[in-house]
Amino acid sequence: GENVEQHPSTLSVQEGDSAVIKCTYSDSASNYFPWYKQELGKRPQLIIDIRSNVGEKKDQRIAVTLNKTAKHFSLHITETQPEDSAVYFCAVYSGGGADGLTFGKGTHLIIQP
Amino acid sequence: GAGVSQTPSNKVTEKGKYVELRCDPISGHTALYWYRQSLGQGPEFLIYFQGTGAADDSGLPNDRFFAVRPEGSVSTLKIQRTERGDSAVYLCASSLTAGTTEAFFGQGTRLTVV
Repeated sequence: GENVEQHPSTLSVQEGDSAVIKCTYSDSASNYFPWYKQELGKRPQLIIDIRSNVGEKKDQRIAVTLNKTAKHFSLHITETQPEDSAVYFCAVYSGGGADGLTFGKGTHLIIQP
Repeated sequence: GAGVSQTPSNKVTEKGKYVELRCDPISGHTALYWYRQSLGQGPEFLIYFQGTGAADDSGLPNDRFFAVRPEGSVSTLKIQRTERGDSAVYLCASSLTAGTTEAFFGQGTRLTVV
């Protein structure tokens, strides 16, 4: 089955700086890559996603890049703000025999004031 | 309703008991997923429904776990003979169609087996 690795597990950045979280996956047939933000005690919420036919997608301060050849994708947050503090999960959809998302273990992003 | 609703929000049960967890997806969403999230981990896929049928139950850990969606809307996750290792947050998600469309999560049911 699909294997998703996410790094780092914890990331601390100064407010206003950029944050980058990286994920790798194993199944070359994977075609959908969402990122979820989960605040403490809350549900995961989609913040951005990318499909395999594009290499980059931006939404204001958030961007995702995808390298299908290397099987990795990254989340980029610029001009970080205190409300960006949360746990971020990457996920991969492979389709085929498994129709759910495979999640990474999460990155705890801490924005230092 | 406006979002995915799960009940109860918290459930404490004794080891060996039977529990049912309910999920009410967003109206019109044909795809429904159950995930389990342990502390400090990402959600782990359990089962996926397309309409009324379980299209993929490969994530269910063993035969103590079962889920139904008899009318293609509300789903119930059933756990028999609960064990302490079953303690986790059980998340339900729904999406308009399967696969590459946004999955909306419920707030989860925190199950504690004592």
